[in-house]
Amino acid sequence: AQKVTQAQTEISVVEKEDVTLDCVYETRDTTYYLFWYKQPPSGELVFLIRRNSFDEQNEISGRYSWNFQKSTSSFNFTITASQVVDSAVYFCALSEAPSTGSARQLTFGSGTQLTVLP
Amino acid sequence: DVKVTQSSRYLVKRTGEKVFLECVQDMDHENMFWYRQDPGLGLRLIYFSYDVKMKEKGDIPEGYSVSREKKERFSLILESASTNQTSMYLCASSPHPGSMNTEAVFGQGTRLTVV
Repeated sequence: AQKVTQAQTEISVVEKEDVTLDCVYETRDTTYYLFWYKQPPSGELVFLIRRNSFDEQNEISGRYSWNFQKSTSSFNFTITASQVVDSAVYFCALSEAPSTGSARQLTFGSGTQLTVLP
Repeated sequence: DVKVTQSSRYLVKRTGEKVFLECVQDMDHENMFWYRQDPGLGLRLIYFSYDVKMKEKGDIPEGYSVSREKKERFSLILESASTNQTSMYLCASSPHPGSMNTEAVFGQGTRLTVV
């Protein structure tokens, strides 16, 4: 069975600090996708990134960067120079290849509440 | 702007009532999902559907049922609401697994309180 662990329940930083959110996953599939979603106080989950299991290249998008390491089954997310607007709950998720005719399901971690203080 | 719309942001229902949570998407997605979100547990999958009139149980289907009569609409039904079903409910949709973009799009959530 697949599993996603986000060990950090809450993190608090001061604005402009860098912060890394950890994500560790378990799966028996060789083909899978990893995701990060952001949930601001409004409640709607916002997609941030998708990574497939064959692409271990790290990615940078503005102040956001992601480090995918298959050897440690980790997909960590770093925010550089954090801002107050980054305050949200962040979820890491895993999806495996679906069975024929079915849908690709997401398994979520328990989330990390990030608070950025001014 | 593509959207997943849930009919209510907040609902208060009494124990034993039949409750309907409605979700509509405008992206012509094949797949639709219902999750519940509880503190410390993340999002857990209740039911999903990969086609009209098709449904599959997720991780926590007990006490729930679903209906998908049209491609754009996916309803979650609590046959007899109980206090332990007080939670945030999130609907999502996604394209066919073979699509290039596989990420799910989420609605804004319905916070249900059962008293």
